[in-house]
Amino acid sequence: AQSVTQPDIHITVSEGASLELRCNYSYGATPYLFWYVQSPGQGLQLLLKYFSGDTLVQGIKGFEAEFKRSQSSFNLRKPSVHWSDAAEYFCAVGAGGFQKLVFGTGTRLLVSP
Amino acid sequence: DAGVIQSPRHEVTEMGQEVTLRCKPISGHNSLFWYRQTMMRGLELLIYFNNNVPIDDSGMPEDRFSAKMPNASFSTLKIQPSEPRDSAVYFCASSLEGGYTEAFFGQGTRLTVV
Repeated sequence: AQSVTQPDIHITVSEGASLELRCNYSYGATPYLFWYVQSPGQGLQLLLKYFSGDTLVQGIKGFEAEFKRSQSSFNLRKPSVHWSDAAEYFCAVGAGGFQKLVFGTGTRLLVSP
Repeated sequence: DAGVIQSPRHEVTEMGQEVTLRCKPISGHNSLFWYRQTMMRGLELLIYFNNNVPIDDSGMPEDRFSAKMPNASFSTLKIQPSEPRDSAVYFCASSLEGGYTEAFFGQGTRLTVV
């Protein structure tokens, strides 16, 4: 079955430092991949998505992600983190014949001054 | 469009009572998802609909949970009877086309069963 693994439950990054959040997926064919962000008390908002084409995808708020088929990964990156980036980040894969979205367990990002 | 609208935002109920959560998806979206979020289990897909038809309810934890989508603009998730372990945030999301396209989430319903 299709699945997504986010190995890091919590990550703490200093403001201004770079960020990389890890995501590994399990899917036989080319997956549809997404990163979402959830601020406290809010629903999830799409940051970026990958369907095909260029493996480096740009998203909102200065985020990008790179699809690496050989590693079954879709890691999220940001060159310089801002305090407002503190939130929970979810990786997701389109699954079940692309009829549904399956989410990873999330990574909580803490930003230190 | 106002986005996905869920009601109520907060619900506190006593164990054994029936709880109904409501969702209005974005107009024109043909897929609707119900998720449950807890600290222990993260974001779990409970059930999803395509063109108002339930496709996969394997994530529904027990027979106490049921979901309906009587038309393209309305869905309900019902828990009867409710139990304290059902306490969670329940999200509804909709998308144009299943897992092919972005899912838009509602603000969620925080359910507390005492």
